[in-house]
Amino acid sequence: QVQLVQSGGGLVNSGGSLRLSCAASGFTFSDSYMIWIRQSPGRGLEYISYISGTSSFIDYADSVKGRFTISRDNGRKSLYLQMNSLRVDDTAVYYCARSSHWFGEIRHWGQGSLVTVSS
Amino acid sequence: EFVLTQSPGTLSLSPGERATLSCRASQRVSSNYLAWYQQIPGQSPRLLIYGASTRATDIPDRFSGSGSGTDFTLTITRLEPEDSAVYYCQQYGNSPVIFGKGTKVEIK
Repeated sequence: QVQLVQSGGGLVNSGGSLRLSCAASGFTFSDSYMIWIRQSPGRGLEYISYISGTSSFIDYADSVKGRFTISRDNGRKSLYLQMNSLRVDDTAVYYCARSSHWFGEIRHWGQGSLVTVSS
Repeated sequence: EFVLTQSPGTLSLSPGERATLSCRASQRVSSNYLAWYQQIPGQSPRLLIYGASTRATDIPDRFSGSGSGTDFTLTITRLEPEDSAVYYCQQYGNSPVIFGKGTKVEIK
């Protein structure tokens, strides 16, 4: 079955960096559109970034553009989110997820990674 | 700015009753690219409905979606205790993907 197993969350100071990883199994990862979404009490569910199967198409939400970088390694069946210049309001649970197509509905979700940014 | 407004904020019903959740968009949702997700406390969201009315894999037929344009509805018939959760609507199809703030369904 489809599994998305996340790692890499934690506590970081404002201005710091963190990298999230997501290991995929149970489906053809290289053919799949992947997405990062975060959830916080104040902002609810919030779209972060999309990446196509070959990394040809990438999109970011305005709130993270220039600070976050999405990438993937199809050989390792893994998705990544490099987060730089972190701010207190980036504190959230971050989910990696699999989409049906480019900006499609979100079919499968990872377990979530808590990122806490302290001032 | 594209906004999805969900109502009511909280719904408190008894097992066996019917729940009707509303999602209203500030602009027309193109191609009915509207999805519904269920999030049980402590868990990740789960896809229930996509394309406004198509049930996702393994979703019981007690869950149904309807609507078009700017007004969408998720209906849960014959509520069961395990339906206690927050339900979110989502607009997709183009950037940015937008979620509503959610409706909490409590089972008495």
